Parts: sequence; structure tokens; C-alpha cells
Amino acid sequence: GEDVEQSLFLSVREGDSSVINCTYTDSSSTYLYWYKQEPGAGLQLLTYIFSNMDMKQDQRLTVLLNKKDKHLSLRIADTQTGDSAIYFCAVGRKNQGGKLIFGQGTELSVKP
Amino acid sequence: EPEVTQTPSHQVTQMGQEVILRCVPISNHLYFYWYRQILGQKVEFLVSFYNNEISEKSEIFDDQFSVERPDGSNFTLKIRSTKLEDSAMYFCASSEEGQLNTEAFFGQGTRLTVV
Repeated sequence: GEDVEQSLFLSVREGDSSVINCTYTDSSSTYLYWYKQEPGAGLQLLTYIFSNMDMKQDQRLTVLLNKKDKHLSLRIADTQTGDSAIYFCAVGRKNQGGKLIFGQGTELSVKP
Repeated sequence: EPEVTQTPSHQVTQMGQEVILRCVPISNHLYFYWYRQILGQKVEFLVSFYNNEISEKSEIFDDQFSVERPDGSNFTLKIRSTKLEDSAMYFCASSEEGQLNTEAFFGQGTRLTVV
């Protein structure tokens, strides 16, 4: 079945770049998302990319998509302590009623 | 900023009891979803709902689960006879459309603990 995998933890120093990786199995995935979850809060959409794109940049965030390898990454430039959170990769495809398949989340820890 | 609100934030229930988790989606949204996250595991899709009908449901969403939009504002998830393994964080979400290029807004979740 459909599956999305992420590494569980990432630790970086403030000011460095963070790269969070995600792999997925469903080659029919049309939309690929990154969500952020802060403690006690819901899932906040950070950005998404269509499957016909290779890259999307939004301020400090850069999303790269390698469709051949079914690999998605989120790069956060100049990581700040406020970026510490759990980051979820999620994928969806058309005609599934908006259903998203999530990865298990990567906990990003930013050290001063 | 409009938001999805869920109540209660934490619910403790005895095994075998019925629970109803409540959600108020964003007012102009038409599509509604429930997801759950068992501690330490992935966020899993349960069900999507549109026009008073279930659009899509997962294998998890068996006969013990039901959803309802009892009035113009609430969207509820009912678990008829809770099991220990139903303990999880349950997230409600809503979107303007069911198309994937519209953002699904998530609530802060209800932590359900079955004892």
C-alpha cells in the first residue's frame, strides 16, 4: 500500500541549514506537502509542491522533489530556535476525497 | 484568522464506553476530515466527508466509527465501544474544496485515552 517514510530526528545549530527528507511509494502522488506541528498545536501547512514541479522556494523554505527516486526534501535556511518542531511529509492523489498519507514526522531540534 | 476548533482537548474514557469527539470546521469549508495519531506512530487518515456523506474512508474506520454533521457548524466523530487501542490523538481538518491544491486546516487535536 501507500507509504511515506521520514527519519525521526534531526539536530542542527542555530543559523545552519536543516534538510528534512521524505520518501514515498505511490508514484501516482500528485501533491506533496510539508506540515509543521509545534507542541500542543495542530498541524500547520508550511508548503506544498505539485508532482510536475522539481523545486519550490518560499522565503527560507526550499522544497525539492525527485520523482524518479520518489524523494522529497524540505530545506530550512538560517534555522532558528523557533523552527524546533515536528515536521510531517504528506502525499495525496486525485480522486481520493482529499485523503493524505503522512510520514511519521521528523523532530527538528535547533540548538543555540 | 479562522481556525478549526476541537473539543475536548483531552478525553479519558472507560473501555467499552461510547465517545463523541467534536469539531467546528472553518465556516465556509465544505470538506471535513478525521485523522488519528497513535503515540509514536504516523498520522493516519480515517475518513473524509462532503455533502453529508462519507467520501472516502480507511480500513481503520470500521463499524465502530461514525461521523455526523448534526447542525450547520459541528462535525463529530463517534466511537461506539472504545477499545484500549483507540487511545490516540484525533485531528479534525477542513478544506474549502476536496481538491488537493486547497489547504486542509487542522485542529489542535483531541487526546483520547481509553482505560
